[in-house]
Amino acid sequence: EVQLVESGGGLVQPGGSLRISCVASGFTFSAHFLDWVRQAPGKGLQWIGRIRYKPSSYTTEYAASVKGRFTISRDDSKNSLYLQLSSLRTEDTAVYYCTRAAGTGWDSAVADHWGQGTQVTVSS
Amino acid sequence: DIQLTQSPSFVSASVGDRVTITCRASQGINNYLAWYQQKPGKAPKLLMYTASTLQTGVPSRFSGRGSGTEFTLTISSLQPDDFATYYCQQHYSYPLTFGGGTNVDLK
Repeated sequence: EVQLVESGGGLVQPGGSLRISCVASGFTFSAHFLDWVRQAPGKGLQWIGRIRYKPSSYTTEYAASVKGRFTISRDDSKNSLYLQLSSLRTEDTAVYYCTRAAGTGWDSAVADHWGQGTQVTVSS
Repeated sequence: DIQLTQSPSFVSASVGDRVTITCRASQGINNYLAWYQQKPGKAPKLLMYTASTLQTGVPSRFSGRGSGTEFTLTISSLQPDDFATYYCQQHYSYPLTFGGGTNVDLK
């Protein structure tokens, strides 16, 4: 069974930093692209970014609203995905989901498995 | 960025009703559109991708169609488990973007 389990969320002050993690199991982690998606309270879904796999040199893509502030990384030896959040703003308050992309082509660049999410609250 | 506009934002329906949700893209995205279902307090669930490909395990009462800029998700006979919020997402170009969501609730 595919599982994605996020951790590391919490309360942080504006301007602060946080690293959240996602541990995966039940599939070949190294064979998949991975994404982060967030959802602000009472709002819709927002894609944050993607990290590709080793054959694609672990390259990344980001939404404009987080580019330069957030960094996605992965450790295939630990089946783990990370999101480093820096220069946090109150509008970054959200549930952050780790997701697995179904495939590596555009026809399958969709999130077929999601974690349960971790809450990040930015407030003074 | 490609903007996705869903309509309606809210649908009140009864069990057994046929429900159709529309998603319009601000530019052509071929057929690279996915649909997700989300229930309160839960992570979203993938229903469909490439406009009409049903994800494994999703009931056949869900169907999708469209290409270019206009897409639809249809639930042929609404079941109690289907009351949820539905989101479309384009998987054509970066940044990937979602529609604003359609809340399907009980009339």
